[in-house]
Amino acid sequence: GDSVTQMEGPVTLSEEAFLTINCTYTATGYPSLFWYVQYPGEGLQLLLKATKADDKGSNKGFEATYRKETTSFHLEKGSVQVSDSAVYFCALSTPGGATNKLIFGTGTLLAVQP
Amino acid sequence: ETGVTQSPTHLIKTRGQQVTLRCSSQSGHNTVSWYQQALGQGPQFIFQYYREEENGRGNFPPRFSGLQFPNYSSELNVNALELDDSALYLCASSPGQMDYGYTFGSGTRLTVV
Repeated sequence: GDSVTQMEGPVTLSEEAFLTINCTYTATGYPSLFWYVQYPGEGLQLLLKATKADDKGSNKGFEATYRKETTSFHLEKGSVQVSDSAVYFCALSTPGGATNKLIFGTGTLLAVQP
Repeated sequence: ETGVTQSPTHLIKTRGQQVTLRCSSQSGHNTVSWYQQALGQGPQFIFQYYREEENGRGNFPPRFSGLQFPNYSSELNVNALELDDSALYLCASSPGQMDYGYTFGSGTRLTVV
């Protein structure tokens, strides 16, 4: 079945460092891909999305490119801040069913130190 | 506009008991999905309701059931609680059953002892 694999955390970076969180997927058909962020004690917030191959999603300095040839959707940010500390989830949704359900990876904890 | 509101925020139940969790969807959203997030894991899809009908279900046993009301709010019921049901339960609403514009609530933390 469809699945998402994320790099394991925690990822610990100093402020202003470059961030990459790897995400690869397995899916039938052509999924839409998402990155969600979860701050402590809160629900999930959509960070960015891409709905077709070669699309680049971007938001708040984060970006990810839908790579069909490598089945990947890696999250990047050029300069992280302490406020970016959170858990990041990669997710996909495959069209063709009756629902818009999301399939999530296990999450990657990012800790940014001042 | 209001977001998704879930209640209660925390709950402790004993194995074998039953629990009801509640979710108020965002204004204008007619679709509600429920997810279970075990500690250290990603959320797992439980089921989705669209206009008061269940229209999709994940790999969860029948003791997980739900309702959606005419105002599109929703309940998740779990019978015969097991220790492994301890998790954060997330509700998400969206403007349509195939719309990816989800809004998630902050969740209900259920602990089964």
